[in-house]
Amino acid sequence: QSVLTQPPSVSGAPGQRVTISCTGSSSHIGAGYDVHWYQQLPGTAPRLLIFGNSNRPSGVPDRFSGSKSGTSASLAITGLQAEDEADYYCQSYDSSLSGWVFGGGTKLTVL
Amino acid sequence: QITLKESGPTLVKPTQTLTLTCTFSGFSLSTSGVGVGWIRQPPGKALEWLALIYWTDDKRYSPSLKNRLTITKDTSKNQVVLTMTNIDPVDTATYYCAHKGSSWSNWFDPWGQGTLVTVSS
Repeated sequence: QSVLTQPPSVSGAPGQRVTISCTGSSSHIGAGYDVHWYQQLPGTAPRLLIFGNSNRPSGVPDRFSGSKSGTSASLAITGLQAEDEADYYCQSYDSSLSGWVFGGGTKLTVL
Repeated sequence: QITLKESGPTLVKPTQTLTLTCTFSGFSLSTSGVGVGWIRQPPGKALEWLALIYWTDDKRYSPSLKNRLTITKDTSKNQVVLTMTNIDPVDTATYYCAHKGSSWSNWFDPWGQGTLVTVSS
């Protein structure tokens, strides 16, 4: 069971907006540690999508955005495209474990 | 450009010791703040952080696996090695190594392509 909680799946039609939540606790997200997001296309390694809660690495479209509030974070994807169909993972640092933690992953289906 | 690549056995028998090597380029593990981590993903399941080593040789382990893991580095060869003892079928997973750019940045970027390890007799 993953330390961070994500919905198992979300879906949306092309062009729509979807959000993926990531819920944590006072030992990681709530302790002020940043949340990062990864995109994992089928059969490939995870790719950094958002770092530091809301920053996009170069090359990531501005359709992807992140936010954090309290013990939770969210990833928003606007203007959904077929190529966005993938698994998405949130990640943070856990001070009680002295290590890095991931969410259980959310499968995005583009209808 | 930073790249990492994992290597090791694809099939391991239960109770054996697994040794995986991460060979990287585009950065040095002698640079202040830099780290290399290992993360695994069982088939169809979520990512799980295993271990990380810093440029100082400071090592961090997942508490749940700490007794079975050892991470080491060879700076001259640009390699990081992860060993896992007493392997079990539940350890079947794709194992990734990833770059951590600084002491204050708690994200991993980029990742290697991963190597699938199957544990079976």
